[in-house]
Amino acid sequence: AQSVTQPDIHITVSEGASLELRCNYSYGATPYLFWYVQSPGQGLQLLLKYFSGDTLVQGIKGFEAEFKRSQSSFNLRKPSVHWSDAAEYFCAESMEYGNKLVFGAGTILRVKS
Amino acid sequence: DTAVSQTPKYLVTQMGNDKSIKCEQNLGHDTMYWYKQDSKKFLKIMFSYNNKELIINETVPNRFSPKSPDKAHLNLHINSLELGDSAVYFCASSQRGDAEAFFGQGTRLTVV
Repeated sequence: AQSVTQPDIHITVSEGASLELRCNYSYGATPYLFWYVQSPGQGLQLLLKYFSGDTLVQGIKGFEAEFKRSQSSFNLRKPSVHWSDAAEYFCAESMEYGNKLVFGAGTILRVKS
Repeated sequence: DTAVSQTPKYLVTQMGNDKSIKCEQNLGHDTMYWYKQDSKKFLKIMFSYNNKELIINETVPNRFSPKSPDKAHLNLHINSLELGDSAVYFCASSQRGDAEAFFGQGTRLTVV
């Protein structure tokens, strides 16, 4: 069965510091991978997606993610975190583009000023 | 112009009641979904409809019944509400094989 693992439940970083959120997927074939962000009381906003091609994908708000097939990972990065980035981040995969998503448990990001 | 809209945004109701949540998308997508986010923020698919046909039903109790009157709408009706149904329910839509999923703002259901 498909599964997505986000090993870190909480991460705290200082404003201006770099950020990496980890994600491991299970689907053996080429997965479709996504990162969503959820601010408190809000819906889900897509940050970026990967389905083929260049393994380093750029997203909105200065985020990027790198697909590494050998490690079954799709980690999210940002070089300099802003206080407004504090939110919960969800990694998700799909077997088919436009099909159902399987989500990780989420990582809560706290930003220290 | 909201792409995926759900109503109501908040719903507080007593155990045993029946309630509905409505969802509409104006993206022209052919597939719609209901996801449930529990108290631990874990998101899981409940149902998926493609062109008004049910294609995914993920072991959801029979008290939950989705209805899709047309491709742009997917409603969720819940009978005999239980305390454990308290959650945030998200509607989403996509064009199968062609586009990522777009999510509504969620409906926070609280059963008391």
